Amino acid sequence: GQQLNQSPQSMFIQEGEDVSMNCTSSSIFNTWLWYKQEPGEGPVLLIALYKAGELTSNGRLTAQFGITRKDSFLNISASIPSDVGIYFCAGQAVSSGTYKYIFGTGTRLKVLA
Amino acid sequence: KAGVTQTPRYLIKTRGQQVTLSCSPISGHRSVSWYQQTPGQGLQFLFEYFSETQRNKGNFPGRFSGRQFSNSRSEMNVSTLELGDSALYLCASNSGGSGGYTFGSGTRLTVV
Repeated sequence: GQQLNQSPQSMFIQEGEDVSMNCTSSSIFNTWLWYKQEPGEGPVLLIALYKAGELTSNGRLTAQFGITRKDSFLNISASIPSDVGIYFCAGQAVSSGTYKYIFGTGTRLKVLA
Repeated sequence: KAGVTQTPRYLIKTRGQQVTLSCSPISGHRSVSWYQQTPGQGLQFLFEYFSETQRNKGNFPGRFSGRQFSNSRSEMNVSTLELGDSALYLCASNSGGSGGYTFGSGTRLTVV
């Protein structure tokens, strides 16, 4: 199935460090979403972006909708151990009146205390 | 308000059997989507239902089917199970527009 390119695939960081990850696509999207998934649970929505250039924050998390509408970025500042998990981006293209999300392959984050 | 509820949480089936998974969306949400999650393939879109109609479909074989009831609850059925169908099946709901989806905790299906 079609997927977005998400990088990095995984990262180990020290507690307190800032984290950056991104998602790119060959298609244009109208909506970008960022989710976090913890073991044994479904993904939880962190941030939703609806306009090109939009920058939105949720606590220590900040995400941006790329100007080209083909990419998005998520930054986590001053990471803490509970930031551990898999972060997914998802893009939504609207065509023929239907809505369908395509998910990135995920970035697995591990925070070393 | 209650979140998205998926039942059962865990399921073990034998190759060749069929299985039905259930999803109750957030009250008021009319759109329900199903995803398959595996370590190798990530989150793959199965289908989306809105007001009892399948609105979108992913690239899965016909063994995978679904339906939605008038109360927006949805079921997903997989017939003639294969070992490769072992996965976490996630259901997500939203009001039907372009906003983000809320996911359930998933059903972990193991085919032996």
